[in-house]
Amino acid sequence: GDSVTQTEGLVTVTEGLPVKLNCTYQTTYLTIAFFWYVQYLNEAPQVLLKSSTDNKRTEHQGFHATLHKSSSSFHLQKSSAQLSDSALYYCALSDHTGGNYKPTFGKGTSLVVHP
Amino acid sequence: EAGVTQSPRYAVLQEGQAVSFWCDPISGHDTLYWYQQPRDQGPQLLVYFRDEAVIDNSQLPSDRFSAVRPKGTNSTLKIQSAKQGDTATYLCASSFGGSNERLFFGHGTKLSVL
Repeated sequence: GDSVTQTEGLVTVTEGLPVKLNCTYQTTYLTIAFFWYVQYLNEAPQVLLKSSTDNKRTEHQGFHATLHKSSSSFHLQKSSAQLSDSALYYCALSDHTGGNYKPTFGKGTSLVVHP
Repeated sequence: EAGVTQSPRYAVLQEGQAVSFWCDPISGHDTLYWYQQPRDQGPQLLVYFRDEAVIDNSQLPSDRFSAVRPKGTNSTLKIQSAKQGDTATYLCASSFGGSNERLFFGHGTKLSVL
């Protein structure tokens, strides 16, 4: 089956500095989409980024990620972290072989941005 | 556009008690997912439906858990005899499976089994 690995459970960064959240995956399927979801305190997870194209940079709300199939990675980065970025971040992949989407999530990384 | 609605928001049970969770997906979304999210872990898929049909329930503990979506709209997840290990947040999500794979989540039901 599919699996998503987020190696850091907690990342802390000073406001204004760059941040990178790691995500690697294993999948036996060829037809896949990749996501980053963000979950703010007491809120539901919501999609932050989505990509299906190898080596193409995807950006949203100052965050960016590039899917690298050669290394099975989809790391999330931001050049200047803001206090409001503090949240839980989940990397996920969705295989849609046969027309049905089955998303698999990583364990999540808690990002804490401090002044 | 109304989002995914779940109820109740919280539930506290003794072991052995039963509980039901209800989910109303976004109108027009044909695919509905139930996830279990233990504390400090990511969402883990329990079951998902396309319209009223179960597509995958391989991770649903069938001896105590059941899920239905009889008309292809609302869904109910039931735990027949809760255990302490069931303590988690139960998230419902929906998507339009045809062309838009991203999930829209409800706020979840936080279950505590004492």
